[in-house]
Amino acid sequence: DAGVTQSPTHLIKTRGQQVTLRCSPKSGHDTVSWYQQALGQGPQFIFQYYEEEERQRGNFPDRFSGHQFPNYSSELNVNALLLGDSALYLCASSPRQGNIRYGYTFGSGTRLTVV
Amino acid sequence: RKEVEQDPGPFNVPEGATVAFNCTYSNSASQSFFWYRQDCRKEPKLLMSVYSSGNEDGRFTAQLNRASQYISLLIRDSKLSDSATYLCVVDHSYDKVIFGPGTSLSVIP
Repeated sequence: DAGVTQSPTHLIKTRGQQVTLRCSPKSGHDTVSWYQQALGQGPQFIFQYYEEEERQRGNFPDRFSGHQFPNYSSELNVNALLLGDSALYLCASSPRQGNIRYGYTFGSGTRLTVV
Repeated sequence: RKEVEQDPGPFNVPEGATVAFNCTYSNSASQSFFWYRQDCRKEPKLLMSVYSSGNEDGRFTAQLNRASQYISLLIRDSKLSDSATYLCVVDHSYDKVIFGPGTSLSVIP
């Protein structure tokens, strides 16, 4: 049973560019949440997708957007990249919206470096 | 005030020691609480849930005090393999889960 799969694992982009990160949730999970984790800090909530809609959003600018597909996979898009966007981006899936009591599984993340 | 706050750390303890981590949260309506463990350059993994009555899993004990909006994690008989960052996690609302900044633990031989 595959866990949460994220791609790519590492990425280097230039300031001002755009990036798309991808996530396939664990089998049986339909909710996907995205987090940004800067070095030495805890994961910061970006947004959550359920039924192909953004359900909740953290304190991130509109440069951060996302999408969820009918097969529950998800994308995170970041436009106009800044040096401060360099971080580990984590995708977490859960069986249904908000119900993390049954398990909140993380992917291994995408490490984005903006130069 | 931050939504979830933790002891700043780092904690450096000898093998066999008992260590306690503390966490406070701001939203009194929060319903679910967890401790996650994150190894260096790895993703967070669920360590244990935290229940109002307190719960224990081997050497690990978690406590919740809703009145004080406070969560704790106690590790007894520390092992080298316990070295990691411990993240306090709060189900802030029905669909928004908030992580604390984490507390780093190093267990020294």
